[in-house]
Amino acid sequence: AQSVTQLGSHVSVSEGALVLLRCNYSSSVPPYLFWYVQYPNQGLQLLLKYTSAATLVKGINGFEAEFKKSETSFHLTKPSAHMSDAAEYFCAVSDQRGSARQLTFGSGTQLTVLP
Amino acid sequence: KAGVTQTPRYLIKTRGQQVTLSCSPISGHRSVSWYQQTPGQGLQFLFEYFSETQRNKGNFPGRFSGRQFSNSRSEMNVSTLELGDSALYLCASSLVPNRFANTGELFFGEGSRLTVL
Repeated sequence: AQSVTQLGSHVSVSEGALVLLRCNYSSSVPPYLFWYVQYPNQGLQLLLKYTSAATLVKGINGFEAEFKKSETSFHLTKPSAHMSDAAEYFCAVSDQRGSARQLTFGSGTQLTVLP
Repeated sequence: KAGVTQTPRYLIKTRGQQVTLSCSPISGHRSVSWYQQTPGQGLQFLFEYFSETQRNKGNFPGRFSGRQFSNSRSEMNVSTLELGDSALYLCASSLVPNRFANTGELFFGEGSRLTVL
């Protein structure tokens, strides 16, 4: 079984500061890992994904994440926060078996950006 | 290219009623998945369809069902509604070349927000 733990249900940063959202996963098989963002009253938008290629993954809007197998982590970072980054962020995992395409999501981290 | 379209966006039902939600995937996407999002349980997988066949099912009671049509459009149905079924129901489509592929990249619609009174 797979699981995802997102440390910190709420994170606040100042505009221009580093954004770091933490995600740890548990999977018995090599995982695919994803970060999604959700703005109020909207669906989820894919920020980036790890699918066993490069361990440092660059996504949209200046976000990136690094897959660290030894730490079972996939933390999301952005060097400089913008007001428009305020949203809820979800880390998700799926396994690489062909018959399983469902995602297991973390509980989410609400990011607040302070002016 | 149009995104994933879900209808209706908002609906209110009473306990014991049933509801049908509709999802039109991105053109060319043959995989459609459904997720339930609630403040207490977060995002939970309901089921996935590929080429009109249910491929995976989450841990939900039989009151939750779905189907997929030949044009890849999907519907989900919840019968005998309970207060706890109040949630945002999200549909996602995926460009999957065949039944064995596993990209896992989902494109989500804006959801159908169901309120059960």
